[in-house]
Amino acid sequence: GAVVSQHPSRVICKSGTSVKIECRSLDFQATTMFWYRQFPKQSLMLMATSNEGSKATYEQGVEKDKFLINHASLTLSTLTVTSAHPEDSSFYICSAPRSGGTAGVSYEQYFGPGTRLTVT
Amino acid sequence: DAKTTQPPSMDCAEGRAANLPCNHSTISGNEYVYWYRQIHSQGPQYIIHGLKNNETNEMASLIITEDRKSSTLILPHATLRDTAVYYCIAYNYGQNFVFGPGTRLSVLP
Repeated sequence: GAVVSQHPSRVICKSGTSVKIECRSLDFQATTMFWYRQFPKQSLMLMATSNEGSKATYEQGVEKDKFLINHASLTLSTLTVTSAHPEDSSFYICSAPRSGGTAGVSYEQYFGPGTRLTVT
Repeated sequence: DAKTTQPPSMDCAEGRAANLPCNHSTISGNEYVYWYRQIHSQGPQYIIHGLKNNETNEMASLIITEDRKSSTLILPHATLRDTAVYYCIAYNYGQNFVFGPGTRLSVLP
């Protein structure tokens, strides 16, 4: 079935550095991908919508200059956390919708396995 | 904001059916009801979705009320590995896929 991958699965970085997280749709094309952040014992919080060939749409309160999103191809979106700080430590998850196969019917949202970011 | 409400937690005995309710009284006509679950430190896993009719697959059954204002996810024979947070989401393509707090299901031996 359809799979969404993320790389890396875990990353530890020093405060002030930047970290790039990749999200790939492995056997389908995704013009839209979603990026979420999840803190311990909390639900997933939508950060931004990544749109292939155009600018990302950020949710209220998410700094677009800090969380840079690039959706350069139909199978790859990247999230770069710039000048990371300890409060950015979190579980980052991406997802991509895929049609159920019949036009105008339903879309299933496929999620990546997540990336655990720790900023020291 | 999430368009659905769920109880924060539920317990279920191993081997018994787990019935997880979800209210979505403001769901619009073209929005589907999706169920996902998340096991600790993993990405959400798709379970099932539906529009109006009841649905069944190898994992679960989804019962949607006739007025579509609520639904129930049924895990027919819960196992310890079904312990997870279950999310009910109203969604259609082009919208944001928004998670609420979900229901933390604990399957007890």
